Amino acid sequence: EPEVTQTPSHQVTQMGQEVILRCVPISNHLYFYWYRQILGQKVEFLVSFYNNEISEKSEIFDDQFSVERPDGSNFTLKIRSTKLEDSAMYFCASSDRVNSPLHFGNGTRLTVT
Amino acid sequence: DAKTTQPNSMESNEEEPVHLPCNHSTISGTDYIHWYLQLPSQGPEYVIHGLTSNVNNRMASLAIAEDRKSSTLILHRATLRDAAVYYCILSGYDYKLSFGAGTTVTVRA
Repeated sequence: EPEVTQTPSHQVTQMGQEVILRCVPISNHLYFYWYRQILGQKVEFLVSFYNNEISEKSEIFDDQFSVERPDGSNFTLKIRSTKLEDSAMYFCASSDRVNSPLHFGNGTRLTVT
Repeated sequence: DAKTTQPNSMESNEEEPVHLPCNHSTISGTDYIHWYLQLPSQGPEYVIHGLTSNVNNRMASLAIAEDRKSSTLILHRATLRDAAVYYCILSGYDYKLSFGAGTTVTVRA
């Protein structure tokens, strides 16, 4: 069964550094999402992306965050200047249409020191 | 977003059915009811979803009340691998799912 893959599985970075989290969604999917989960807390929506533009974003997704689909297969989340509170699991997801099931990757654990 | 209410936790014995309730009294006519599970250290995983009619798939069944203000996820025979957090989520014609705290299911051998 096709799956969403995320790399790296674990990223350690220093506060203030830029990080790029990478995702390869399922190939025929059109809708892409990023979520995050701080340890012990809820899964939180960050952003959705369709037709090469952001469809919706949450309050968390401020100017430090950006998303891109650079080459038709990858979907990336960039954090420009990481803060300690950005430490979390970041999950990428994709779906083929609105209200169809989301397929999640296994996440990237981001640790900001 | 329309909200859902789930019990914090439920326990079950292996090979017995598990009925996970979800209340969503403010559901709108276009909201779908989705269920996802999350195993430790993994991403959420789709279980089932429906709009008005009961739904069955290889993983579970979804029973939706006639007024749609509540639903129940049914795991027919619990296994140790079913121990997870189960989320009941409403989704309209938007582009996101809003996860709550979910129900933590424990399965006793």
